[in-house]
Amino acid sequence: AQRVTQPEKLLSVFKGAPVELKCNYSYSGSPELFWYVQYSRQRLQLLLRHISRESIKGFTADLNKGETSFHLKKPFAQEEDSAMYYCALSRDTGGGNKLTFGTGTQLKVEL
Amino acid sequence: GAGVSQSPRYKVAKRGQDVALRCDPISGHVSLFWYQQALGQGPEFLTYFQNEAQLDKSGLPSDRFFAERPEGSVSTLKIQRTQQEDSAVYLCASSTGAGTPNYEQYFGPGTRLTVT
Repeated sequence: AQRVTQPEKLLSVFKGAPVELKCNYSYSGSPELFWYVQYSRQRLQLLLRHISRESIKGFTADLNKGETSFHLKKPFAQEEDSAMYYCALSRDTGGGNKLTFGTGTQLKVEL
Repeated sequence: GAGVSQSPRYKVAKRGQDVALRCDPISGHVSLFWYQQALGQGPEFLTYFQNEAQLDKSGLPSDRFFAERPEGSVSTLKIQRTQQEDSAVYLCASSTGAGTPNYEQYFGPGTRLTVT
């Protein structure tokens, strides 16, 4: 069965410091991985996906199949980055691309 | 444009009551998902519809949970004889297509269910 692990429930950094939110997964097939973000009082929204290999709001994530990781990184944290971040894995079981989420990491950027 | 909407936003039910949670997906979206998010946890998959067909209900925790999408648009998640462990936020998500490529899922605000 697939599983997504986010080891940190809370990560606190100072503004301007680098950020790394960890995500490890277990899946026997070829995974598609995502980062979702939930800002205060807003709904869950897609931040980025590994197949796009893009940078969104300064965030990047590289899929490392050898280490089964998909860590989210940003070189300089901003106050507006404070939010809940969820790593998710998708697989198509023939009935849609349902998502398996980790437990989330609360990022707090302090001034 | 309008995103995914859910109603009610909050629901308090006494143990043993039946509840119905509604999801209005983005117009024209083929796929609709329901997730359950317990306090301090990530969302967990419940069930999936492609148009009106329920193709995956493997995540429904018991036969007290039932979902439908009769006309391929609005969906209702029904929980019969609610228990305290059903207390959670219920999220609905929709996407434009199905299968590959992996279409983005757009989430609603959720319904917070509290069973007393």
